[in-house]
Amino acid sequence: DIQMTQSPSSLSASVGDRVTITCRASQSIGSYLNWYQQKPGKAPKLLISAASRLQSGVPSRFSGSGSGTDFTLTISSLQPEDFAAYYCQQSYSAPPTFGQGTKLDLK
Amino acid sequence: QVQLVQSGAEVKKPGASVKVSCKASGYTFTSYYMHWVRQAPGQGLEWVGIINPSGGSTAYAPKFQGRVTMTRDTSTSTVYMELSSLRSEDSAVYYCARDPVDIVATVSSSGSYYFDYWGQGTLVTVSS
Repeated sequence: DIQMTQSPSSLSASVGDRVTITCRASQSIGSYLNWYQQKPGKAPKLLISAASRLQSGVPSRFSGSGSGTDFTLTISSLQPEDFAAYYCQQSYSAPPTFGQGTKLDLK
Repeated sequence: QVQLVQSGAEVKKPGASVKVSCKASGYTFTSYYMHWVRQAPGQGLEWVGIINPSGGSTAYAPKFQGRVTMTRDTSTSTVYMELSSLRSEDSAVYYCARDPVDIVATVSSSGSYYFDYWGQGTLVTVSS
């Protein structure tokens, strides 16, 4: 199975900050990388697919980049509703696997 | 609008089985694969398996092979996941999640293995 490693595991930030979350795959996965946001008690929500494709309805302050083994999710200016957990997930090969998550909370 | 509505919380004893349902609406049920993903309390996300709602074919994560069965009922647009020989480590929220690839439109023989719509989750608690 492909291992996905996110960093950091947790992050404290303030409204208006620019934050970056990193995801590394244990082997090259091309651009088969997806990002999800999960709020407490809720199902994950797909934010970005294929490393950089913003899903419909997702604010443009979210962006994704990378290919091969190294990927980033950037939030350009944090809003109060962005404090949540974020997961990367590879869809290059089965079984699909997730990073361990990054918990973003208010400083 | 796409909706996935799951059955309610379950409490089971070790060794028992649980069957969770996921009713789809707002799209053509047989055109999109469905996955099951679980999340143990305070933990990350783990893929359980996939079902083709059209033909019923399935593929499971090796960890669950032999213990999980996914089925579907096209007359009610519902998929089911049954997990047997439950142990405490199976206590988790189980989600159904739709694969975004339109099998018919793309003549795809497999899903894309990511998830565009999710059910609300079903908490399964295994406790003696």
